[in-house]
Amino acid sequence: DGGITQSPKYLFRKEGQNVTLSCEQNLNHDAMYWYRQDPGQGLRLIYYSQIVNDFQKGDIAEGYSVSREKKESFPLTVTSAQKNPTAFYLCASTGGVYQPQHFGDGTRLSIL
Amino acid sequence: EDKVVQSPLSLVVHEGDTVTLNCSYEVTNFRSLLWYKQEKKAPTFLFMLTSSGIEKKSGRLSSILDKKELFSILNITATQTGDSAIYLCAVIRDDKIIFGKGTRLHILP
Repeated sequence: DGGITQSPKYLFRKEGQNVTLSCEQNLNHDAMYWYRQDPGQGLRLIYYSQIVNDFQKGDIAEGYSVSREKKESFPLTVTSAQKNPTAFYLCASTGGVYQPQHFGDGTRLSIL
Repeated sequence: EDKVVQSPLSLVVHEGDTVTLNCSYEVTNFRSLLWYKQEKKAPTFLFMLTSSGIEKKSGRLSSILDKKELFSILNITATQTGDSAIYLCAVIRDDKIIFGKGTRLHILP
């Protein structure tokens, strides 16, 4: 079945540590997105990529980095510069800019 | 600044009731409006609305868009406990999707 796979489901970060969240899709979608969801805040866009080797900052990119070396993969690194990283992170993809997004099951990141 | 505003932010009703969720928007270069249902994990797609006044329906759920007044409603009739979720409204503009904060719906048995 085609879909989006995020891993791990739960992740714990120590102070000062970088962590990388994985997002893989086999839907052959060009565009991929990373969102952060906090309680009562809805989804906020971190980064997005509409094509391989290209990506743009979203509304809350500070403290995060991404890469898009393959069409199928769009990993997100939460750096030590992100002072409040505890949140639920969702990855999404779409076959066209004007199409609904498909979401992965998310990664819940917590600080130790 | 573009914004998508959902109301109410939370709602508690009894099983069998009908609910109406609201989504208003101020977005430049509007393309479409989306509704998603989010239970514990991934939001799942419900409806995409592009034209004004055309109701979309799926079982007990229906939705309509008013592009003149810049809002959409999502109706759920004969609610069931399985309808308990966060309902997200989002607007597609030229280059990205803007999400509202969601309405948290809880159905009491």
